[in-house]
Amino acid sequence: EPEVTQTPSHQVTQMGQEVILRCVPISNHLYFYWYRQILGQKVEFLVSFYNNEISEKSEIFDDQFSVERPDGSNFTLKIRSTKLEDSAMYFCASTWAVDQPQHFGDGTRLSIL
Amino acid sequence: GEDVEQSLFLSVREGDSSVINCTYTDSSSTYLYWYKQEPGAGLQLLTYIFSNMDMKQDQRLTVLLNKKDKHLSLRIADTQTGDSAIYFCASGGSASKIIFGSGTRLSIRP
Repeated sequence: EPEVTQTPSHQVTQMGQEVILRCVPISNHLYFYWYRQILGQKVEFLVSFYNNEISEKSEIFDDQFSVERPDGSNFTLKIRSTKLEDSAMYFCASTWAVDQPQHFGDGTRLSIL
Repeated sequence: GEDVEQSLFLSVREGDSSVINCTYTDSSSTYLYWYKQEPGAGLQLLTYIFSNMDMKQDQRLTVLLNKKDKHLSLRIADTQTGDSAIYFCASGGSASKIIFGSGTRLSIRP
C-alpha cells in the first residue's frame, strides 16, 4: 500500500539554525499538510497546501515557517531560526481530495538544543 | 473554536472489549477518524466514518457515530496486548484540517 514517507526520522539542531523537514506524499495526492505534536500534547495543525500555495495556516505557523513543493514529489517544511519550543514530532499528511481521509507519515522528531 | 475531547486513560483485561469515547464540536465535520499511535511511532489511520453514517464495522473494530450528540466511539473486540497504544479521535471538516483529541492511552491487563 502506498505511504507517506518522511526524512529524517530524527533531526537534532542547534537553536537558531535553519532546519528543513522532508516529506514524500502519496503519488496521486493533491493536498498536503504539516502537523506537529509536542511531547505529551495534542497533534496540532500547522498548514495545508494545494495547487502550489498555502490553503490555510494556524497561529503556530508564523514567519519562521515556510513550506515548499520544489518538485513533483517532495513537500518540505522549513523553520528559519529554530527555537527550543520548536522541539516536537512533525507529521506530514496527504490526501487526494479535501473531503477524503488524510494519510500520515511516521513523523520526524525534531530536537532543538 | 473547534475541539475534540476524549478521556486520557483506559485499562481493560485481555480478551475483553475496549470502548473509547470521544466528543467533538465541529458540526460541519465530514469525516470522523480514529488514529493509533504506538510508542515512538507515527499516526496510523485505524478507521474512519463518514458523517452521514451511524456505524462502521471493520473486523474487530466498530465505530459508532451519534451526530446529534456529536459523540463518537471506537469498540475493539477481543482486545489483545498488541492493541496497547494511544488512540486519537479526530474530526475533519470542510476546511480540510484535522482536529485531534488528546488521545486515550489504552493499557491491557493480563
